[in-house]
Amino acid sequence: QVQLVQSGAEVQKPGASVKVSCKASGYTFTNYYIHWVRQAPGQGLEWMGKINPSDGRATYAQKFQGRVTLTTDTPTRTVFLDLGSLRSEDTAIYHCARVGLTTKAFDYWGQGTLVTVSS
Amino acid sequence: QSALTQPASVSGSPGQSITISCTGTSGDIGNYVSWYQQFPGKAPKLIIYEVNNRPSGVSVRFSGSKSGHTASLTISGLQGEDEAIFFCGSFTASSTTFGGGTKLTVL
Repeated sequence: QVQLVQSGAEVQKPGASVKVSCKASGYTFTNYYIHWVRQAPGQGLEWMGKINPSDGRATYAQKFQGRVTLTTDTPTRTVFLDLGSLRSEDTAIYHCARVGLTTKAFDYWGQGTLVTVSS
Repeated sequence: QSALTQPASVSGSPGQSITISCTGTSGDIGNYVSWYQQFPGKAPKLIIYEVNNRPSGVSVRFSGSKSGHTASLTISGLQGEDEAIFFCGSFTASSTTFGGGTKLTVL
């Protein structure tokens, strides 16, 4: 079955960077875009960007341009989110999610990774 | 794109029907509107895609529609297990915009 399994919780200081991983299984990895969506405590969902695992090309939300980098490692079927210059407002749960080929929606989600930014 | 607008909360009694709205501008609400149900501490779950389609396994009590710049999610025959937060999302080739979420309380 399709699974997206993310790395564990992180605590980082302001100004630092964090790298979150998302390991996919149960489907052809290179056929589906992976997106990242974050959710601040008690808040809504915020789209951050997407990556095409077949060629590594990424698109980022304007808000995060210059601070976020998405990469893939095809042999390990893993997608990575790198977020730099962290500030307290980046404290959130970060989810990876797959977009279905026919649904144009997020059909499978990772369990989420809590990133806490605190001095 | 600005966030889509949803009511903060809705409520209903078991057996009743409720509708949650999701309003955007002409550029936000297209044919790729989806709805997600989220329980506390869990990842969102897709329940409606492309305005009015249900993924396999999702109850027929969930239905979607769209009129103009507003998409809607209707839950019929409310059950206690439906109590959750519901998000709408609008997918385009370049980005995705979400609503702020609506908390459903089953009285």
